[in-house]
Amino acid sequence: AQSVTQLDSQVPVFEEAPVELRCNYSSSVSVYLFWYVQYPNQGLQLLLKYLSGSTLVKGINGFEAEFNKSQTSFHLRKPSVHISDTAEYFCAVSDRSGNQFYFGTGTSLTVIP
Amino acid sequence: DTEVTQTPKHLVMGMTNKKSLKCEQHMGHRAMYWYKQKAKKPPELMFVYSYEKLSINESVPSRFSPECPNSSLLNLHLHALQPEDSALYLCASSPVARVDGTQYFGPGTRLTVL
Repeated sequence: AQSVTQLDSQVPVFEEAPVELRCNYSSSVSVYLFWYVQYPNQGLQLLLKYLSGSTLVKGINGFEAEFNKSQTSFHLRKPSVHISDTAEYFCAVSDRSGNQFYFGTGTSLTVIP
Repeated sequence: DTEVTQTPKHLVMGMTNKKSLKCEQHMGHRAMYWYKQKAKKPPELMFVYSYEKLSINESVPSRFSPECPNSSLLNLHLHALQPEDSALYLCASSPVARVDGTQYFGPGTRLTVL
């Protein structure tokens, strides 16, 4: 079975500053990894995903994430955040059959003007 | 069309009412999902339909009854709910059931049970 840990439940950051949201997973098998964003009062939107290949994955809205197999991490980064990035961010992991899919507990990103 | 739509956006119901939530997608996806999300928590999977057949039921109480009339439509019938069932109910779809995990989510129905 897999599990996902998002250690930071809340991350405040000033506008135009860089941000990193941390995600660690545990699994005994190869996995797919995802970051989803949920804006207030909305559903979830896929930011990016790692399936295979290059460990640096670029997503929408200027976000990117790096898969680190040795550290079992998939941290999300953005070099310069905007007010509109204020949202809840969920990391998720899936086994390669897709039968097991788990969300992390979420990180609330607040961008301060 | 890359949208998953859900109706209604908001629903308030009493514990003796019967109501239904509706979800629709026209992306040709063959897998559809219902999730329940409480405030400040991640979504919890309730049901998965694959090719219009129920493939996963995550031990959801029988007061929630899913239905998939066709490949584009997914309903969730509600009956005799409890106040603790108040939550955001999210529908999602994917091309096939969870092979690469990518799911497209609707905006959700905010349900309040009085």
